[in-house]
Amino acid sequence: AQTVTQSQPEMSVQEAETVTLSCTYDTSENNYYLFWYKQPPSRQMILVIRQEAYKQQNATENRFSVNFQKAAKSFSLKISDSQLGDTAMYFCAFSSQGGSEKLVFGKGTKLTVNP
Amino acid sequence: DVKVTQSSRYLVKRTGEKVFLECVQDMDHENMFWYRQDPGLGLRLIYFSYDVKMKEKGDIPEGYSVSREKKERFSLILESASTNQTSMYLCASARMRGQGSYGYTFGSGTRLTVV
Repeated sequence: AQTVTQSQPEMSVQEAETVTLSCTYDTSENNYYLFWYKQPPSRQMILVIRQEAYKQQNATENRFSVNFQKAAKSFSLKISDSQLGDTAMYFCAFSSQGGSEKLVFGKGTKLTVNP
Repeated sequence: DVKVTQSSRYLVKRTGEKVFLECVQDMDHENMFWYRQDPGLGLRLIYFSYDVKMKEKGDIPEGYSVSREKKERFSLILESASTNQTSMYLCASARMRGQGSYGYTFGSGTRLTVV
């Protein structure tokens, strides 16, 4: 069974600085999808970024980018120019190529952006 | 704006009550999911459904059941609520496998307290 590990339960960063959240996963599959989700305090979970494992290029969405290292099974999220609105729980998730659309989630990292 | 709607944001129920949590999506997604979210444990899958009247157990189905009579609606049922079912419940939907994996669209969550 696939597992997703987020080793940093909590992190903090100063506004305008850059922060990297770590995620590792375990799978025997070659093709799969990886995601980062953001859950602001008392608000809805939203998709931040998506990576297809067969694509070498790292995904980027504005200030959010990933460092996808397939051999190391690592999928970190970099947030540049951090903003107060980035304060949230961040969840890393894995979806296999075959089977159902089930996502396996990590336990989350609570990020606080300080003014 | 596409969305997943959970009928209640906050709910307080008594031990032993039968509790219904409702979720409706307007995206014509085949797949729907129920998770519970607890601090330090992340998101744990309770049940999911990939078609009308179809359901599959997730990782923690004990004490729960589900119903999917229509494509857009997926209900979670707590047969006899207990205090250890106090949690945040998240509903999500996703398009069918075979169209790529684009992750979930989440509802806003229902915070259930059982007293």
